Amino acid sequence: DTAVSQTPKYLVTQMGNDKSIKCEQNLGHDTMYWYKQDSKKFLKIMFSYNNKELIINETVPNRFSPKSPDKAHLNLHINSLELGDSAVYFCASSQEYGTGGTNEKLFFGSGTQLSVL
Amino acid sequence: QKEVEQNSGPLSVPEGAIASLNCTYSDRGSQSFFWYRQYSGKSPELIMFIYSNGDKEDGRFTAQLNKASQYVSLLIRDSQPSDSATYLCAVNGSGNTPLVFGKGTRLSVIA
Repeated sequence: DTAVSQTPKYLVTQMGNDKSIKCEQNLGHDTMYWYKQDSKKFLKIMFSYNNKELIINETVPNRFSPKSPDKAHLNLHINSLELGDSAVYFCASSQEYGTGGTNEKLFFGSGTQLSVL
Repeated sequence: QKEVEQNSGPLSVPEGAIASLNCTYSDRGSQSFFWYRQYSGKSPELIMFIYSNGDKEDGRFTAQLNKASQYVSLLIRDSQPSDSATYLCAVNGSGNTPLVFGKGTRLSVIA
Protein backbone atom coordinates (compact mmCIF):
# COMPACT_ATOMS: atom_id res chain seq x y z
CA ASP A 1 0.00 0.00 0.00
CA THR A 2 1.38 3.36 -1.02
CA ALA A 3 1.54 5.68 1.99
CA VAL A 4 1.26 8.99 0.12
CA SER A 5 -0.14 8.79 -3.36
CA GLN A 6 -0.60 11.60 -5.82
CA THR A 7 -2.06 11.73 -9.29
CA PRO A 8 -1.32 12.28 -12.05
CA LYS A 9 2.37 11.42 -12.26
CA TYR A 10 2.81 13.46 -15.43
CA LEU A 11 0.81 16.46 -16.56
CA VAL A 12 1.47 18.18 -19.89
CA THR A 13 -0.72 21.13 -20.72
CA GLN A 14 -0.94 24.43 -22.58
CA MET A 15 -0.47 27.86 -21.10
CA GLY A 16 -3.68 29.33 -19.78
CA ASN A 17 -5.29 26.00 -18.90
CA ASP A 18 -6.55 25.02 -15.44
CA LYS A 19 -5.39 21.74 -13.89
CA SER A 20 -5.62 19.84 -10.62
CA ILE A 21 -3.32 17.45 -8.77
CA LYS A 22 -4.73 15.09 -6.14
CA CYS A 23 -3.06 13.67 -3.07
CA GLU A 24 -4.10 11.09 -0.50
CA GLN A 25 -2.30 9.66 2.51
CA ASN A 26 -3.22 6.51 4.43
CA LEU A 27 -0.79 7.04 7.31
CA GLY A 28 -3.32 8.68 9.60
CA HIS A 29 -1.21 11.85 9.67
CA ASP A 30 -2.62 15.19 10.74
CA THR A 31 -0.62 17.44 8.43
CA MET A 32 -0.24 17.53 4.66
CA TYR A 33 1.90 19.73 2.43
CA TRP A 34 2.52 20.78 -1.12
CA TYR A 35 6.15 21.35 -2.13
CA LYS A 36 7.46 22.61 -5.45
CA GLN A 37 10.82 21.40 -6.78
CA ASP A 38 12.28 23.48 -9.57
CA SER A 39 14.76 22.47 -12.26
CA LYS A 40 17.65 23.14 -9.87
CA LYS A 41 16.16 20.65 -7.44
CA PHE A 42 15.31 23.27 -4.82
CA LEU A 43 12.39 21.99 -2.72
CA LYS A 44 10.19 24.81 -1.50
CA ILE A 45 7.09 24.72 0.70
CA MET A 46 3.91 26.08 -0.85
CA PHE A 47 1.06 25.16 1.47
CA SER A 48 0.33 23.12 4.53
CA TYR A 49 -2.91 21.91 6.09
CA ASN A 50 -3.32 20.60 9.61
CA ASN A 51 -6.56 18.72 10.22
CA LYS A 52 -8.13 20.32 7.14
CA GLU A 53 -7.12 23.85 8.17
CA LEU A 54 -4.66 25.95 6.20
CA ILE A 55 -1.63 26.70 8.38
CA ILE A 56 1.04 27.66 5.87
CA ASN A 57 0.56 29.74 2.78
CA GLU A 58 3.91 30.83 1.44
CA THR A 59 4.33 33.51 -1.20
CA VAL A 60 2.53 31.64 -3.95
CA PRO A 61 0.45 33.26 -6.72
CA ASN A 62 -3.26 33.11 -5.97
CA ARG A 63 -3.68 31.08 -9.15
CA PHE A 64 -2.72 28.18 -6.88
CA SER A 65 -5.52 27.06 -4.60
CA PRO A 66 -5.23 24.11 -2.22
CA LYS A 67 -8.23 22.27 -0.89
CA SER A 68 -8.45 19.70 1.88
CA PRO A 69 -11.81 17.90 2.02
CA ASP A 70 -10.59 15.78 4.94
CA LYS A 71 -7.28 15.25 6.70
CA ALA A 72 -6.33 12.36 4.40
CA HIS A 73 -6.66 14.39 1.21
CA LEU A 74 -5.02 17.55 -0.08
CA ASN A 75 -5.60 18.68 -3.64
CA LEU A 76 -3.96 21.48 -5.59
CA HIS A 77 -5.78 23.42 -8.28
CA ILE A 78 -3.87 25.73 -10.60
CA ASN A 79 -5.61 28.33 -12.75
CA SER A 80 -4.26 30.02 -15.86
CA LEU A 81 -1.08 27.96 -16.03
CA GLU A 82 2.13 29.75 -16.97
CA LEU A 83 5.45 28.53 -18.37
CA GLY A 84 7.12 29.21 -15.02
CA ASP A 85 4.80 26.78 -13.28
CA SER A 86 6.66 23.88 -14.90
CA ALA A 87 8.19 21.90 -12.06
CA VAL A 88 7.74 18.75 -10.01
CA TYR A 89 5.09 19.11 -7.34
CA PHE A 90 5.37 16.87 -4.29
CA CYS A 91 2.68 16.13 -1.79
CA ALA A 92 3.88 15.15 1.67
CA SER A 93 2.48 14.36 5.08
CA SER A 94 3.71 14.34 8.66
CA GLN A 95 2.29 13.02 11.89
CA GLU A 96 2.51 16.39 13.61
CA TYR A 97 3.32 20.01 12.94
CA GLY A 98 4.96 22.69 15.04
CA THR A 99 6.22 20.38 17.76
CA GLY A 100 9.87 20.68 16.79
CA GLY A 101 10.27 16.95 17.12
CA THR A 102 10.89 14.00 14.87
CA ASN A 103 7.15 13.47 14.33
CA GLU A 104 7.48 16.31 11.87
CA LYS A 105 9.45 14.09 9.50
CA LEU A 106 7.93 14.16 6.06
CA PHE A 107 6.72 11.31 3.91
CA PHE A 108 6.58 12.24 0.25
CA GLY A 109 4.39 11.19 -2.62
CA SER A 110 6.01 10.20 -5.90
CA GLY A 111 5.61 13.64 -7.42
CA THR A 112 3.76 15.18 -10.35
CA GLN A 113 5.89 16.41 -13.23
CA LEU A 114 4.03 19.42 -14.63
CA SER A 115 5.09 20.70 -18.04
CA VAL A 116 3.45 23.84 -19.37
CA LEU A 117 3.92 24.38 -23.11
CA GLN B 1 14.63 34.42 6.50
CA LYS B 2 15.58 30.98 7.77
CA GLU B 3 18.21 29.41 5.55
CA VAL B 4 19.78 26.03 5.09
CA GLU B 5 23.00 25.92 3.09
CA GLN B 6 24.59 22.98 1.34
CA ASN B 7 27.37 22.68 -1.20
CA SER B 8 25.62 21.70 -4.44
CA GLY B 9 28.50 19.49 -5.59
CA PRO B 10 28.89 17.23 -7.36
CA LEU B 11 30.86 15.45 -4.69
CA SER B 12 32.73 12.55 -6.24
CA VAL B 13 34.16 9.76 -4.09
CA PRO B 14 35.59 6.36 -5.04
CA GLU B 15 33.71 3.23 -4.09
CA GLY B 16 34.50 2.14 -0.55
CA ALA B 17 35.50 5.63 0.61
CA ILE B 18 33.74 7.81 3.20
CA ALA B 19 31.47 10.48 1.76
CA SER B 20 31.03 13.57 3.93
CA LEU B 21 28.08 15.85 3.31
CA ASN B 22 27.73 19.14 5.15
CA CYS B 23 24.91 21.49 6.00
CA THR B 24 24.71 24.78 7.91
CA TYR B 25 21.58 26.54 9.11
CA SER B 26 20.76 30.05 10.19
CA ASP B 27 18.02 29.58 12.81
CA ARG B 28 19.71 29.05 16.15
CA GLY B 29 16.44 27.83 17.64
CA SER B 30 16.21 24.86 15.27
CA GLN B 31 15.54 21.60 17.05
CA SER B 32 15.31 18.72 14.57
CA PHE B 33 17.47 17.91 11.60
CA PHE B 34 16.77 15.51 8.77
CA TRP B 35 18.69 14.01 5.88
CA TYR B 36 16.78 12.94 2.79
CA ARG B 37 18.10 11.04 -0.20
CA GLN B 38 16.63 11.72 -3.62
CA TYR B 39 17.42 9.59 -6.63
CA SER B 40 16.99 11.21 -10.03
CA GLY B 41 13.32 11.26 -10.99
CA LYS B 42 12.20 9.98 -7.59
CA SER B 43 10.82 11.53 -4.43
CA PRO B 44 12.92 12.35 -1.36
CA GLU B 45 13.15 9.57 1.21
CA LEU B 46 14.18 10.04 4.82
CA ILE B 47 17.43 8.30 5.76
CA MET B 48 18.43 9.93 9.05
CA PHE B 49 17.22 12.38 11.65
CA ILE B 50 19.01 13.83 14.65
CA TYR B 51 18.06 16.26 17.39
CA SER B 52 20.82 15.99 20.01
CA ASN B 53 24.38 17.22 19.75
CA GLY B 54 26.83 14.52 18.84
CA ASP B 55 26.73 11.53 16.54
CA LYS B 56 23.94 9.18 15.57
CA GLU B 57 24.76 6.02 13.66
CA ASP B 58 22.50 3.84 11.53
CA GLY B 59 24.27 1.21 9.50
CA ARG B 60 26.69 2.89 7.10
CA PHE B 61 25.22 6.32 7.85
CA THR B 62 26.29 8.66 10.66
CA ALA B 63 24.65 12.01 11.30
CA GLN B 64 26.61 14.58 13.29
CA LEU B 65 25.10 17.64 14.92
CA ASN B 66 26.83 20.67 16.43
CA LYS B 67 24.23 23.21 17.50
CA ALA B 68 26.81 25.72 18.74
CA SER B 69 28.30 25.87 15.24
CA GLN B 70 24.88 25.45 13.58
CA TYR B 71 26.25 22.59 11.58
CA VAL B 72 24.94 19.15 10.69
CA SER B 73 26.67 16.56 8.58
CA LEU B 74 26.09 13.12 7.11
CA LEU B 75 28.85 10.56 6.73
CA ILE B 76 28.42 7.56 4.47
CA ARG B 77 30.94 4.83 5.12
CA ASP B 78 31.96 2.24 2.51
CA SER B 79 30.24 4.29 -0.21
CA GLN B 80 28.57 2.30 -2.95
CA PRO B 81 27.57 3.34 -6.48
CA SER B 82 23.96 2.90 -5.32
CA ASP B 83 24.54 5.80 -2.90
CA SER B 84 24.84 8.16 -5.87
CA ALA B 85 21.97 10.59 -5.40
CA THR B 86 21.17 14.09 -4.21
CA TYR B 87 21.19 14.46 -0.43
CA LEU B 88 18.88 17.07 1.04
CA CYS B 89 19.35 18.55 4.48
CA ALA B 90 16.12 19.71 6.16
CA VAL B 91 15.86 21.71 9.35
CA ASN B 92 12.92 22.30 11.62
CA GLY B 93 12.92 25.95 12.61
CA SER B 94 11.95 27.48 15.91
CA GLY B 95 8.36 28.49 16.37
CA ASN B 96 5.53 27.35 14.16
CA THR B 97 7.46 26.88 10.95
CA PRO B 98 7.71 24.08 8.41
CA LEU B 99 10.83 22.16 7.51
CA VAL B 100 13.24 24.20 5.45
CA PHE B 101 15.29 22.32 2.88
CA GLY B 102 18.75 23.03 1.58
CA LYS B 103 19.35 22.90 -2.15
CA GLY B 104 20.95 19.49 -1.87
CA THR B 105 24.37 18.01 -2.56
CA ARG B 106 24.78 15.70 -5.50
CA LEU B 107 26.93 12.70 -4.59
CA SER B 108 28.57 10.53 -7.20
CA VAL B 109 30.25 7.29 -6.10
CA ILE B 110 32.67 6.06 -8.73
CA ALA B 111 33.11 2.29 -9.11
